[in-house]
Amino acid sequence: NAGVTQTPKFQVLKTGQSMTLQCAQDMNHNSMYWYRQDPGMGLRLIYYSASEGTTDKGEVPNGYNVSRLNKREFSLRLESAAPSQTSVYFCASSAGTGAGELFFGEGSRLTVL
Amino acid sequence: QRVTQPEKLLSVFKGAPVELKCNYSYSGSPELFWYVQYSRQRLQLLLRHISRESIKGFTADLNKGETSFHLKKPFAQEEDSAMYYCALRDDKIIFGKGTRLHILP
Repeated sequence: NAGVTQTPKFQVLKTGQSMTLQCAQDMNHNSMYWYRQDPGMGLRLIYYSASEGTTDKGEVPNGYNVSRLNKREFSLRLESAAPSQTSVYFCASSAGTGAGELFFGEGSRLTVL
Repeated sequence: QRVTQPEKLLSVFKGAPVELKCNYSYSGSPELFWYVQYSRQRLQLLLRHISRESIKGFTADLNKGETSFHLKKPFAQEEDSAMYYCALRDDKIIFGKGTRLHILP
């Protein structure tokens, strides 16, 4: 059982380049989330999707876009990467916004030069 | 809503008691969680306040008067070394900045 799968695991970008982080879950969960993890800042919510067809901004949405492609997949796009977006990105899913337990992916380490 | 974990790093000797602090601000009835990230493992749920359970010897009690949800364990073990996050749920789940627990031999 794969759970939540993120790709790529590592990526190096130059300032101004674009890229998309992919996330898929096989647990038939309704809600999906993107967080970034930075030293001393903890986990900060970028965007979330409470259900298929909806997306909402989290705490730090600037510089990012998301797409809930279908119930399984939720992608995060950086249109013009900046060094401040160097971080570890985590995708997570839950049965619904009323369900507390999040299931996390392994993380994607992104470096922007 | 906000979650505050005042300690970035907590070092405790093996066998000593552990208390990781978490305070929150929330206008309604909060639902609170502790998540843990062991080295080279995924973030995972440790416990939630509504369950009132003990997981791996850890407990946490919601104190609405003090708006706290501190994580406690009476006797620390070396395998408890990890990053711990307190989290709060309304229509989304937000996390505190985390506390790294280091168990000293």
